[in-house]
Amino acid sequence: AQKVTQAQTEISVVEKEDVTLDCVYETRDTTYYLFWYKQPPSGELVFLIRRNSFDEQNEISGRYSWNFQKSTSSFNFTITASQVVDSAVYFCALRETSGSRLTFGEGTQLTVNP
Amino acid sequence: NAGVTQTPKFQVLKTGQSMTLQCAQDMNHNSMYWYRQDPGMGLRLIYYSASEGTTDKGEVPNGYNVSRLNKREFSLRLESAAPSQTSVYFCASSEMGLAASTDTQYFGPGTRLTVL
Repeated sequence: AQKVTQAQTEISVVEKEDVTLDCVYETRDTTYYLFWYKQPPSGELVFLIRRNSFDEQNEISGRYSWNFQKSTSSFNFTITASQVVDSAVYFCALRETSGSRLTFGEGTQLTVNP
Repeated sequence: NAGVTQTPKFQVLKTGQSMTLQCAQDMNHNSMYWYRQDPGMGLRLIYYSASEGTTDKGEVPNGYNVSRLNKREFSLRLESAAPSQTSVYFCASSEMGLAASTDTQYFGPGTRLTVL
C-alpha cells in the first residue's frame, strides 16, 4: 500500500532563513506521481508542483526548489530566503498509476517569524 | 472561471441530523473527489467519481453517501451526522481519463462542519 511520511510536524524559522521540508514515500508502483500542496491560514489547498517518477531532475521555481531522489524515496521541498507569507501547512502527496486517489502525508506546519 | 466551489462554508449540526455538502467545478474535469481533513491526519479520501455516472469508495466512506449529479457537480451526504464526522471537508477535481499521466487535483475552499 502507498504511504507518505512527513516526519516534521512543525518547523519554525526566522525570516530569510532557508528551510527544507522532508517527504518520504512508499509505493510498489514503478511509475507514480508526487505532489506538494500549500495550505495557508485561510484554509484552501494550493497546488505547488507535480513530479513524475521517471523524471528525477530537480526543479526550481523562484524561491522554491524540489529535490526528488528515487534511491531514497524522498521528495523534499526547500524554500530559500523564507518570508512570513510562506507560513502555512505543506502537504506532500503520492498518486500511483493504478488509481486516481492521492495519498497525503500528515503535513508540516511551517511558521516564518519576522 | 471559479475553479472548484463548495457550499456551505460552515455548518453546525446536531447528532442525527442530515445534510448535503455541495461541490461544483467549471474546469470540465472528468474526476471529482471528497476528502476530510482532521488534525494530524492529513487528508483522507471519502469517495471519488472517476467519471460522470460512476462513484467509488475511498479510505473512509462509512457514514457518507455521494451523488455525481452531472459532470460539474458532486455532492456528499451525511444521513445521520455523528460527532466523529466533525471535520473540514474538501472537494477536488481533476482531468484524469486519458490524461492520467499529467493529472493534478485542484481543491475547493473547504466546508468546516461541526457535529454537536
